[in-house]
Amino acid sequence: KAGVTQTPRYLIKTRGQQVTLSCSPISGHRSVSWYQQTPGQGLQFLFEYFSETQRNKGNFPGRFSGRQFSNSRSEMNVSTLELGDSALYLCASSLPGGAIDNEQFFGPGTRLTVL
Amino acid sequence: QKEVEQDPGPLSVPEGAIVSLNCTYSNSAFQYFMWYRQYSRKGPELLMYTYSSGNKEDGRFTAQVDKSSKYISLFIRDSQPSDSATYLCAMSERFQKLVFGTGTRLLVSP
Repeated sequence: KAGVTQTPRYLIKTRGQQVTLSCSPISGHRSVSWYQQTPGQGLQFLFEYFSETQRNKGNFPGRFSGRQFSNSRSEMNVSTLELGDSALYLCASSLPGGAIDNEQFFGPGTRLTVL
Repeated sequence: QKEVEQDPGPLSVPEGAIVSLNCTYSNSAFQYFMWYRQYSRKGPELLMYTYSSGNKEDGRFTAQVDKSSKYISLFIRDSQPSDSATYLCAMSERFQKLVFGTGTRLLVSP
């Protein structure tokens, strides 16, 4: 069974631009969560989607948004990029029933660099 | 103060040593406790999953949860160079988001 895939793996943008990251969960997984990982703050929860609905949201500004499609694939968008948005963005999927009571499987991440 | 505190390390040990990794937390409502391992340029992978207090063993790995002290531990016996990675603790309330520690970098030298 294929794992969680994320595209692109690496991305370089400049301040003020916007970016869209994509995540394809493991087949059959309906819950997708997004995290931001930085050396200073570690892994921070952005949001979780289940059946195309946002179910949980972290403490990030409105510039960070996401969506989930009917095939469970998910995208996250960051608008008006800031230097501090440089990070590894991780996507995790889990089986139906929720992301908390089931194991989350992480993708390799997208490394975003904002210049 | 962060909800979950974890020493960033690095923790350097010789091959064969017993490794102890720890996290403390402040939210007494946390019920689910996990340890993830993350290799360089990879996403985290789940190592151990514990509900509420107690111990859980899986091969060379043992996870302990002490809810009264708000303290969790991961022990690695007979450590191997392949165990060199960053270890992240994570925890959550029921149906709530996972809260991660910042991770401890472990280096096991041959």
